[in-house]
Amino acid sequence: NAGVMQNPRHLVRRRGQEARLRCSPMKGHSHVYWYRQLPEEGLKFMVYLQKENIIDESGMPKERFSAEFPKEGPSILRIQQVVRGDSAAYFCASSPQAGSGNTIYFGEGSWLTVV
Amino acid sequence: GQQVMQIPQYQHVQEGEDFTTYCNSSTTLSNIQWYKQRPGGHPVFLIQLVKSGEVKKQKRLTFQFGEAKKNSSLHITATQTTDVGTYFCAEGYRDDKIIFGKGTRLHILP
Repeated sequence: NAGVMQNPRHLVRRRGQEARLRCSPMKGHSHVYWYRQLPEEGLKFMVYLQKENIIDESGMPKERFSAEFPKEGPSILRIQQVVRGDSAAYFCASSPQAGSGNTIYFGEGSWLTVV
Repeated sequence: GQQVMQIPQYQHVQEGEDFTTYCNSSTTLSNIQWYKQRPGGHPVFLIQLVKSGEVKKQKRLTFQFGEAKKNSSLHITATQTTDVGTYFCAEGYRDDKIIFGKGTRLHILP
């Protein structure tokens, strides 16, 4: 009964490189959320996706960041040309279906360090 | 954008003392959820409150939703070292987006 799976757990990138973070939702879940957490700070909403569809990306930076959730395979958060300020924990969460008040289940996070 | 406000940001208590964190909004909340994140860990869902004035208990934890659905609280009775972590409230929007408060970090002094 696997939970939300994220990989890699830890990723080190040099400035200017690309970072790809993957998230497989819980079985039966069709909705995926991405959040960013800076050290000692809260969870900042980035994007909310269904299969093949971005529902809300109001928290995504306009440049360098993109997210997808294809019909097959995991959701991917892609950060191009990373900068030091992108260093953070990126948490993925999933929920089973649409509907106000759904709770979400988090993965263990991917810690990105930009050097 | 709208965000629920949490206070206090930090709280140090002696082991055995009680602890309360508050979550406030300027507008009516459709529902409120509470999560706990241990140091170095990921957020874990604790509970969801939907009804005005709702009170729910989980062992030493008591969750309340205000009558006007604009505030909520989490109270821990007789804290233990296992209670250490950050407690987040989160608002579930009608479009299923879930927005978190900034959290309250609880430190337990032995």
